[in-house]
Amino acid sequence: DIQMTQSPSSLSASVGDRVTITCRASQGIRNDLGWYQQKPGKAPKRLIYGASKLQSGVPSRFSGSGSGTEFTLTISSLQPEDFATYFCLQYNTYPSWTFGQGTQVEFK
Amino acid sequence: QVHLQESGPGLAKPSETLSLTCAVSGYSISSGHYWAWIRQPPGKGLEWIGCIHRTGYPYFNPSLQSRVSLSVDTSKNHFSLNLTSLTAADTAVYYCARAPLGSWDSSDFWGQGTLVTVSS
Repeated sequence: DIQMTQSPSSLSASVGDRVTITCRASQGIRNDLGWYQQKPGKAPKRLIYGASKLQSGVPSRFSGSGSGTEFTLTISSLQPEDFATYFCLQYNTYPSWTFGQGTQVEFK
Repeated sequence: QVHLQESGPGLAKPSETLSLTCAVSGYSISSGHYWAWIRQPPGKGLEWIGCIHRTGYPYFNPSLQSRVSLSVDTSKNHFSLNLTSLTAADTAVYYCARAPLGSWDSSDFWGQGTLVTVSS
């Protein structure tokens, strides 16, 4: 089974900060990775698919990079509405999925 | 627009079986895709439970495989989850979703989730 290790588990940041979240796969998954944002009481919302493709309607301050085993989600300038929890999801083992453990982005 | 809606009991008893259904609208299950179940215990991360194809072929999370069964009803355009031998650890929000076809697939559809509490 492919394991996804996401870091950090939480971070504190201020509006305007650049934020970076990382996911590492236990084996190569090409670019079969998505990034999700989840706010309390809501279903996850996908921000990035194919490791680097921006989902329609998602602000351009979100970007994804990486391939193989190392992946990064970057928020270039954190906005108040970005305080949330972020998850990575690998689907290389389609149709089976594996989620990262999540990163909670909190207000500093 | 594809819409998914979970339904089921909000409360279940330990040792019993949980049955949830996901109704799909705006897309025919018969057209393809895998249809997935995911859960999230309160305050914790997401766990993939399994998925099923329109043909009825399922895939399961190995950690839950012995307790999970999935089914699909193309005539009603819905798919279902049964989880047996419930314990308090099964308390979670349960989501259904349509699995993307691959890294090129921009579609992503999830239900709003339904909270299931396991308690006597």
